This record gives sequence, C-alpha cells and structure tokens, in this order.
Amino acid sequence: KQEVTQIPAALSVPEGENLVLNCSFTDSAIYNLQWFRQDPGKGLTSLLLIQSSQREQTSGRLNASLDKSSGRSTLYIAASQPGDSATYLCAVSNDYKLSFGAGTTVTVRA
Amino acid sequence: NAGVMQNPRHLVRRRGQEARLRCSPMKGHSHVYWYRQLPEEGLKFMVYLQKENIIDESGMPKERFSAEFPKEGPSILRIQQVVRGDSAAYFCASSPPAGRAATEQYFGPGTRLTVT
Repeated sequence: KQEVTQIPAALSVPEGENLVLNCSFTDSAIYNLQWFRQDPGKGLTSLLLIQSSQREQTSGRLNASLDKSSGRSTLYIAASQPGDSATYLCAVSNDYKLSFGAGTTVTVRA
Repeated sequence: NAGVMQNPRHLVRRRGQEARLRCSPMKGHSHVYWYRQLPEEGLKFMVYLQKENIIDESGMPKERFSAEFPKEGPSILRIQQVVRGDSAAYFCASSPPAGRAATEQYFGPGTRLTVT
C-alpha cells in the first residue's frame, strides 16, 4: 500500500523567501507524481506533473524534482508572494489511483 | 473547454436522507475518479469508473455508497441513509482514455456535504 508523507505540515515565511516542500513515498513503482494547490474550501489546482521517467519539471517560479529510486520529490517555489499562501498536496500515481499526502500549509507573510 | 463540473457545490442533508453528487468530466474524458476528503484528513481514493463500468471500487465503504457513470449523462455518487461521519468534501476527477498508463487527472471544485 502506497504511503505518502509531506514534511513540514506547516510553514510560515516572509515574502520573498524561497519555499522548499518535501514529499516522500514508500512504493517507487509509480507512473507519475503531481503537485496540487488547494485554497481553503476550494478544489485542487494542478501545478506540476512529473512522469516517472523525468527528473524535474518547471513552470514559472515553480520547480519540482523527482527521485523515484529514493521515493522523494521536492517542490521549490522561488521568491514567495502572499498569494502563494495555500495548502500544497503531493500525489503519486500507481496506475490510476492517486495517493495523496496530508499536505503542507504555507503562509507567506507580507 | 470547460473543466470538470460538479454539482451541487454544497449539500446539506439530515441523517437518514440520501445524497446524490454529480460529476461531468471534461470533454473527451471517459475516465472518472471519486475521492473523499474528510475533515483534517488527506484525500482518499474511492472509485474509478469508465462509461458503464466500475473498474475499481476498493476505496468505497461497503454499505450505503454506490457510484455509476452511465452511457449518457454525468457520473453519480450516491450515499444512502447518510450519517454525520459522511460529512466531507467529495472530489471528482477525470482523465482521457490512456490504457493502463496513468495520465494527469483534472479535478472538479468538489461537493461539500454536511450531514446534520
């Protein structure tokens, strides 16, 4: 059974600082890994998708790396802004099922 | 291209009533997934459906819950005789047909069910 862990559970940083969010998973036989953003009471917004054959993906200020053999992914958010405040979820896919971590709640202070 | 649509967005039911949650996948998507997010918990897979077929319902509670994805119309998640523990956010996701290889899942805004 796939177990996904996200550390830290919460993070508070001043505006402008870089964010580093960690995700680890127990079963390395994954198809892909997705990072999502969830705002309070809202749905999930997909940020990045990394296929199992890839090492990283970049979109704007976001960069995600994947080390499948060690079961880890890291999401980097450069030059954080107050609008980045949200919960970030990591999800791994073993075939069609997504297994989610509990999330990291980020607060960026102005 | 409209995204995944779910309705209602908020649903209040009394204990013992039935709840029906609807999900319309993105255009061209024939795979639908339902996930549940209980308060203070992560999202958990419930069921995976293709048109007229339930592929995997291993995450569904054994009683009171059912799901369908008919040939025409939206996917329906049905909860009979709701209890307070069913209060949660229910998310639907869809993906295009891709055989066994997983593709990106696109999520709807969710239905927040409150049982009083």
